[in-house]
Amino acid sequence: GENVEQHPSTLSVQEGDSAVIKCTYSDSASNYFPWYKQELGKGPQLIIDIRSNVGEKKDQRIAVTLNKTAKHFSLHITETQPEDSAVYFCAATKKTSYDKVIFGPGTSLSVIP
Amino acid sequence: DTAVSQTPKYLVTQMGNDKSIKCEQNLGHDTMYWYKQDSKKFLKIMFSYNNKELIINETVPNRFSPKSPDKAHLNLHINSLELGDSAVYFCASSQGRGYTFGSGTRLTVV
Repeated sequence: GENVEQHPSTLSVQEGDSAVIKCTYSDSASNYFPWYKQELGKGPQLIIDIRSNVGEKKDQRIAVTLNKTAKHFSLHITETQPEDSAVYFCAATKKTSYDKVIFGPGTSLSVIP
Repeated sequence: DTAVSQTPKYLVTQMGNDKSIKCEQNLGHDTMYWYKQDSKKFLKIMFSYNNKELIINETVPNRFSPKSPDKAHLNLHINSLELGDSAVYFCASSQGRGYTFGSGTRLTVV
């Protein structure tokens, strides 16, 4: 089955700096890669996603890149702000009617004012 | 106007008790899920229902029984609770894209 690894497990950055979180997946059939942000006491929230036919996607300060050959994908956050502090999860799935999303172990991001 | 709502938010109970967690979504999604998040924040799928039909049943003890009376509701009943069941349980729904999660139920077994 699918296995998703995620690094680093914790990340501290100064406000205004960039943050990068990297993930790898094992199942070459996976074709949909969402990213979730979980704030304290809340459920994970979808922040951006990418499909396997696309190499990069941007939404304001966040971007995702995907390298299907290497089975790597990454989340980039630019101009970080204190409200970006949260746990971030990458995930992978085969986008069928009955998708089972496999999550990475999470990255705890702290943005220091 | 919460999209995916779970009740209760907190649940403290003794070992051996039986408890239920309820979930409702008003998004019109066909698929609903239960995920367990342990103390290290790891999210693991437990069950998935599509239009009231069970489609994913991971290796979860038989003490856990999901029920979907209609496609907007997915409840989780747990029998004979054990200390190791302590975790945050998340309900989620989806329709062709990412999940929408509820805010979670923190279950503490003492």
